[in-house]
Amino acid sequence: QKEVEQNSGPLSVPEGAIASLNCTYSDRGSQSFFWYRQYSGKSPELIMSIYSNGDKEDGRFTAQLNKASQYVSLLIRDSQPSDSATYLCAFNRAGRRALTFGSGTRLQVQP
Amino acid sequence: DAEITQSPRHKITETGRQVTLACHQTWNHNNMFWYRQDLGHGLRLIHYSYGVHDTNKGEVSDGYSVSRSNTEDLPLTLESAASSQTSVYFCASSEREGGRYEQYFGPGTRLTVT
Repeated sequence: QKEVEQNSGPLSVPEGAIASLNCTYSDRGSQSFFWYRQYSGKSPELIMSIYSNGDKEDGRFTAQLNKASQYVSLLIRDSQPSDSATYLCAFNRAGRRALTFGSGTRLQVQP
Repeated sequence: DAEITQSPRHKITETGRQVTLACHQTWNHNNMFWYRQDLGHGLRLIHYSYGVHDTNKGEVSDGYSVSRSNTEDLPLTLESAASSQTSVYFCASSEREGGRYEQYFGPGTRLTVT
């Protein structure tokens, strides 16, 4: 079993719709969870972090964490073509400062 | 503004040559990391450092080395470049804030080994 599982996509949504990106992880000792956005040819950019069960909202983005079910998700409301990118989920294991990354989900927002 | 820079941004080298990729950060972060990114594999950890003179191996460290002589720099050396090391390399740094470690990435170096 991979440490982090993400559907590679592409996930295609129309402009203005809600995009839902999901990530499951296997290490129950994981403490902190992150979503990075990566445009083609660019470096990953941190967009959301979440540490406690529940929802965390920041503008059009909502991160959701469920430690019992070992999944973390990212919702993007009112999706824009500029949101088209690869979204990487990542986590810290307890006691580690390095991140473990999923392979990413490619999101396409159709105008 | 604080930032992370990497150089060179693009590099072509031949099999067997030694190559050093530079990473410089002005965040004054203690933690620095090197990842490689390949299609289908996501980001994989090569080496990391928690402070000056501290270095540790990541999951794909064979053929790579790092040294940390100051807070700002963590150069990555490929001792004898191999075609399997053709990849995009990212440097990142982090510091503990509120008990968490949020990582910030440099722009990357695209390395081609011919």
